[in-house]
Amino acid sequence: SQQGEEDPQALSIQEGENATMNCSYKTSINNLQWYRQNSGRGLVHLILIRSNEREKHSGRLRVTLDTSKKSSSLLITASRAADTASYFCATKGTNRDDKIIFGKGTRLHILP
Amino acid sequence: DAGVIQSPRHEVTEMGQEVTLRCKPISGHDYLFWYRQTMMRGLELLIYFNNNVPIDDSGMPEDRFSAKMPNASFSTLKIQPSEPRDSAVYFCASSLLRWPGSSNTEAFFGQGTRLTVV
Repeated sequence: SQQGEEDPQALSIQEGENATMNCSYKTSINNLQWYRQNSGRGLVHLILIRSNEREKHSGRLRVTLDTSKKSSSLLITASRAADTASYFCATKGTNRDDKIIFGKGTRLHILP
Repeated sequence: DAGVIQSPRHEVTEMGQEVTLRCKPISGHDYLFWYRQTMMRGLELLIYFNNNVPIDDSGMPEDRFSAKMPNASFSTLKIQPSEPRDSAVYFCASSLLRWPGSSNTEAFFGQGTRLTVV
C-alpha cells in the first residue's frame, strides 16, 4: 500500500508556536498533497508538492519532501487558533489510474 | 462554481432501510471519488469513476453498497440494506486529472453526508 501515515496522531501547541507534522509513505509517488479538515467539514486542499520538488511554500505553510526517505513534513509557522484542525497527507502514485490515498491524519490543537 | 455538492447533509435511518447519498461534482472534472470517514478507520476510498465509468470499486465494503454515475454531473452511493456499522461521514470528491505532464490532481471535497443508522 502506498498509504501515507501521519505523525504524530495528535499535537497541541501554544498559539504563536510552529507546528510540524510528518507523513511517511511506502511506494513511489507522482505527488504528495496536504489537506486540512475542520471539525464537521470536508477536506480542503492546502498544498501539492511534486516528486521532483524538495520544498514548497504557501503563506505560513512550508512543505518538504524527501523521496529517498519516502517522507514529507508540513510546517505551520506562527500558529493561530484558526489552524486547529486535522491535517492529512495524500499521495498519488506514478501510474495513470493510481488513486489518491489519504493517511489517518494529525489532529492539531492550538491552545490560546 | 459552487464546488462539490452533496445531499443530504445528515441522514438518520433505521437498520434495514435503503439509503441513497447524492453528489454533484465540479463541472468539467473527470474523476469522482466516494470516501467514507470514521474515527476507527480514517478516510477510506470506496470507489472512483473516470468519465462516468467505475474504475476501482475494491474499497466498497460489501454487496450492500453500490454506486452509479449516470452522467458527468451526478453520482449516487446506495446502501441497501443499511446496518449500524455503516454509520460514518461519506464524502464525495472530484478532481481534474491531466496525464502526462501537469499533475493537476488536487481533489475538491464536498461537505459530506453524516449517516447514522440506528
